[in-house]
Amino acid sequence: KAGVTQTPRYLIKTRGQQVTLSCSPISGHRSVSWYQQTPGQGLQFLFEYFSETQRNKGNFPGRFSGRQFSNSRSEMNVSTLELGDSALYLCASSFSGSDTQYFGPGTRLTVL
Amino acid sequence: ELKVEQNPLFLSMQEGKNYTIYCNYSTTSDRLYWYRQDPGKSLESLFVLLSNGAVKQEGRLMASLDTKARLSTLHITAAVHDLSATYFCAVTSNSNSGYALNFGKGTSLLVTP
Repeated sequence: KAGVTQTPRYLIKTRGQQVTLSCSPISGHRSVSWYQQTPGQGLQFLFEYFSETQRNKGNFPGRFSGRQFSNSRSEMNVSTLELGDSALYLCASSFSGSDTQYFGPGTRLTVL
Repeated sequence: ELKVEQNPLFLSMQEGKNYTIYCNYSTTSDRLYWYRQDPGKSLESLFVLLSNGAVKQEGRLMASLDTKARLSTLHITAAVHDLSATYFCAVTSNSNSGYALNFGKGTSLLVTP
C-alpha cells in the first residue's frame, strides 16, 4: 500500500510570492491534516480536511489556506510569503482523523 | 489550550543503558501517540495509547500511559545506535468535530558507543 506522498519535495521562493503544496493520502484515508515544522516552534497544526470540508484550523494567519478534492487529495497554499514561513510542511492522512495519522515525507520550503 | 511537554529535550546515552522519556499533557485527551523522526526524514508512528494503564512494547521501546496523571513514558532498554533519532509525543485534541495532533517539542536522542 502506497504511503502519503507530497510534492514538491523542495521549494525555494522569495518574499511576497505564493506557493501551493500538494498531498496525496493513503488510499482509503479521508482525513488529511497539515503541519508546519520549524526548529523554533516545533510541530504546529495548520488545518484538517475531511470529505472536502475543513473541520479544524490551527492558529495561523489567513495567508495559509487549503482545500481537499473529492479524491481526498489536498493542497495548501501560502500567499505573500514571509521569511518566517521557511519550514518543513508535513501532510498526514488517516481514515477518520481520530485514528493514527500517517505522515508524508514533507515539503521543505525556503523563503529568501 | 492543550499543552504537551516532553523532557528531557536532549539525551545522550551509552549503548546498553536504559532511560525514560517523559511526556506530560495539560488536558484530557482520547489518544496519545509516540512518533520517531530521523534527521531530514518524516515522522514514523511508533505507538498509540488509548486508555489508562495502556502499555505497548516494540523491540527495545516500551510506552505507557497514565491518564490520571496525564503522563506518558517512553522507556528505552539497552539502547543501541539505531535508536538515535528525535522522539515526539502527541496528544489528540478535537474542535468542531475536527482533530489535531498537539506535539511536544521532541526529545533528541543520541546513543553513543
